[in-house]
Amino acid sequence: DVVMTQSPLSLPVTLGQPASISCRSSQSLVHSDGNTYLNWFQQRPGQSPRRLIYKVSNRDSGVPDRFSGSGSGTDFTLKISRVEAEDVGVYYCMQGTHWITFGQGTRLETK
Amino acid sequence: EVQLVESGGGLVKPGGSLRLSCAASGFTFSTYTMNWVRQAPGKGLEWVSSVVSSGSDVHYADSVKGRFTISRDNAKNSLYLQMNSLRAEDTAMYYCARDGYGDHFEHWGQGTLVTVSS
Repeated sequence: DVVMTQSPLSLPVTLGQPASISCRSSQSLVHSDGNTYLNWFQQRPGQSPRRLIYKVSNRDSGVPDRFSGSGSGTDFTLKISRVEAEDVGVYYCMQGTHWITFGQGTRLETK
Repeated sequence: EVQLVESGGGLVKPGGSLRLSCAASGFTFSTYTMNWVRQAPGKGLEWVSSVVSSGSDVHYADSVKGRFTISRDNAKNSLYLQMNSLRAEDTAMYYCARDGYGDHFEHWGQGTLVTVSS
């Protein structure tokens, strides 16, 4: 199975400051069809997960442009340009190239 | 608006069975791959099972293979998960999730809680 490793697991951030979460896979996520199936999800406290980013860098409808995804191969990053109070929650990366596996989650909290 | 509403969760004894349902609306259900994803209390997300649009191809996580069966009824816009031989470690919130076209887990339901305990 492909192992997804996120860091950090806990991320205290001051409101208005940037935040960055890393996700590394145990093998390349480039599919034979040429796509890289790496998604990012946000789960606010008490809510269902919500997809933010699909195929590395595509923002879902309604997702603020302060969220961005980047990376290739085995290394990927989710960036929040300026953290707002509503961004508090747990963030998961997920790969869909080799079946489906999720990262452990990164808990973003405000300082 | 896409809506996914799960039901059927509850308390069941180890070794028991439960059938989860997911009622879909707001989109053409028969054209999308559908999935079940679960989350144990205080833990992360775990993919459980997927079924393609026609129902002809299904996939399972190793942790549930041979015990869970995913199915769908496109005429009723509904997704199901039959869970047999339940174990304490199956205790979790179970989410129904719809894929996009060529991508995964675009939309999620609110979940239904399954508790396996004697």
